[in-house]
Amino acid sequence: GENVEQHPSTLSVQEGDSAVIKCTYSDSASNYFPWYKQELGKRPQLIIDIRSNVGEKKDQRIAVTLNKTAKHFSLHITETQPEDSAVYFCAASIGNQFYFGTGTSLTVIP
Amino acid sequence: GAGVSQSPSNKVTEKGKDVELRCDPISGHTALYWYRQSLGQGLEFLIYFQGNSAPDKSGLPSDRFSAERTGGSVSTLTIQRTQQEDSAVYLCASSSRTGPSGAFFGQGTRLTVV
Repeated sequence: GENVEQHPSTLSVQEGDSAVIKCTYSDSASNYFPWYKQELGKRPQLIIDIRSNVGEKKDQRIAVTLNKTAKHFSLHITETQPEDSAVYFCAASIGNQFYFGTGTSLTVIP
Repeated sequence: GAGVSQSPSNKVTEKGKDVELRCDPISGHTALYWYRQSLGQGLEFLIYFQGNSAPDKSGLPSDRFSAERTGGSVSTLTIQRTQQEDSAVYLCASSSRTGPSGAFFGQGTRLTVV
């Protein structure tokens, strides 16, 4: 089955700096890669996604890149703000089955 | 409602009792998932339903755990003879089959076994 690895497990950045979270996957059949943000005590929420036929997608301060050859994808957050502090999960999907990374706890220091 | 709905929001039960957790997926979503999240931990896959296909039960931690989905919509996760290690937040999510799309999560049920 698919195996998704996510790094780093914790990340602290100064407000205004960029944050990058990286994930790798093992199954080349994975064709959809969503990212979730989970604030403390709340449900995971989908913030951005990318399909396998696209190399990069951007939505305001967040962007995701996908390298199918290397089987890795990354989340980039620019101009970080305190409200970006949360746990972020990547996932790889085959069909409708999702395989989640172990999460990255991001802290933005004011 | 427009989102995934779970009930109850919180459940405190005595060790050894059975509990049932309910999930109402987004209308029209054919895929439904149950995950477990312990405090400060990641998402542990439990079970996945896709339409009328046999569910993927590979994540269920023991035979005390079972789930069903009636009429392709509402799902119930049942935990028999609860143990303290079952204490966690149980998250349900649903997804549309029409093309790859994200799974949308409910607010979860926080289960505490005392």
